[in-house]
Amino acid sequence: NAGVIQTPRHKVTGKGQEATLWCEPISGHSAVFWYRQTIVQGLEFLTYFRNQAPIDDSGMPKERFSAQMPNQSHSTLKIQSTQPQDSAVYLCASSLPGLGYEQYFGPGTRLTVL
Amino acid sequence: GQGVEQPAKLMSVEGTFARVNCTYSTSGFNGLSWYQQREGQAPVFLSYVVLDGLKDSGHFSTFLSRSNGYSYLLLTELQIKDSASYLCAVRAGGYKVVFGSGTRLLVSP
Repeated sequence: NAGVIQTPRHKVTGKGQEATLWCEPISGHSAVFWYRQTIVQGLEFLTYFRNQAPIDDSGMPKERFSAQMPNQSHSTLKIQSTQPQDSAVYLCASSLPGLGYEQYFGPGTRLTVL
Repeated sequence: GQGVEQPAKLMSVEGTFARVNCTYSTSGFNGLSWYQQREGQAPVFLSYVVLDGLKDSGHFSTFLSRSNGYSYLLLTELQIKDSASYLCAVRAGGYKVVFGSGTRLLVSP
């Protein structure tokens, strides 16, 4: 069991560029969560998929952020026209169906927007 | 609004205990989880409570009072390696999980 895999581990973009972050959940986990973590805001919920379907995206900034889960083995978080305030560690987590209280987190992608 | 509050820092001594407090105010409640996060690493699940009372899991125990919107994580027989941040997470209405900002525990010799 490789755990939740996230790539890349680090990404540096220039202001206005696009960033795509990848997540591979644990096999058999049908729930996938995306979070953003900063020192100031802590861990913030972004969006949640269940069985690949988007269920709750109430934490997503509406204009530049989007997330997809085209198949059960990976999910992507795309940020268009990145801004310095998007700099954060983006964490992906997965859980077994019905057990969203026990989430397994990936190592995160540290995004730095210059 | 929805809020989960934790003290920012907590200090204790090796061999003793530490209690990490969490208070919450959410529009719904479907349970509360505790996670440990070491510097530069991802959160790791520790415990989940949904019913009132104390849940003893050995080194880590958790308490919940739903009427007071309060929980704590109790660490006993502290070791230096218990120094980490401890995050409280509340499953509010629906599927959304609201995390507290975390309590950084420092265990000294």
